[in-house]
Amino acid sequence: DTGVSQDPRHKITKRGQNVTFRCDPISEHNRLYWYRQTLGQGPEFLTYFQNEAQLEKSRLLSDRFSAERPKGSFSTLEIQRTEQGDSAMYLCASDPRGLFFGEGSRLTVL
Amino acid sequence: GQQLNQSPQSMFIQEGEDVSMNCTSSSIFNTWLWYKQDPGEGPVLLIALYKAGELTSNGRLTAQFGITRKDSFLNISASIPSDVGIYFCAGLQGNAGGTSYGKLTFGQGTILTVHP
Repeated sequence: DTGVSQDPRHKITKRGQNVTFRCDPISEHNRLYWYRQTLGQGPEFLTYFQNEAQLEKSRLLSDRFSAERPKGSFSTLEIQRTEQGDSAMYLCASDPRGLFFGEGSRLTVL
Repeated sequence: GQQLNQSPQSMFIQEGEDVSMNCTSSSIFNTWLWYKQDPGEGPVLLIALYKAGELTSNGRLTAQFGITRKDSFLNISASIPSDVGIYFCAGLQGNAGGTSYGKLTFGQGTILTVHP
């Protein structure tokens, strides 16, 4: 048990719908990251928070994606108007001294 | 985006055999991490390396940070069936504790199958 929890673990949605994922990091970790992993690939960095501040966003994070961490604790990742290409595992992680990942939220867009 | 070259892509071994996999890059990394991922789960951190030349063990696992800072390898000794999974290397170009610390670049993974 890494201590990073994600919800839901699986989400199936129809194209065009909005989805939201939640991440609760290890409590003493102030840095939180979102990654995306498609089948057969390693995870790819999406965005990063230090406390409530979103400090960096990848080019992978299109305008349909938004991430928040309002109180510097849990974070949400919302995808609006989902597309089939959004189907992936969305991973949350926190550090220090090595990223500790949650179990992921698998999204399937039909 | 930038990728690490991880090899081999897959390995089929007998229980009890030793395993070696490596990761190379054209760019310098200041931290190397090795992860194991089971199907449907998130990656689990196995070993973290912070200094060039560093050799670190975690049970039957041993990993080294290459002197050139452009490569790393992972060895698993006396493999057992529960070693099955996908192993990923990941590199960080920044410094541990820096502002972009968690922005890792991952390899494409080595799929390990262990036959009893």
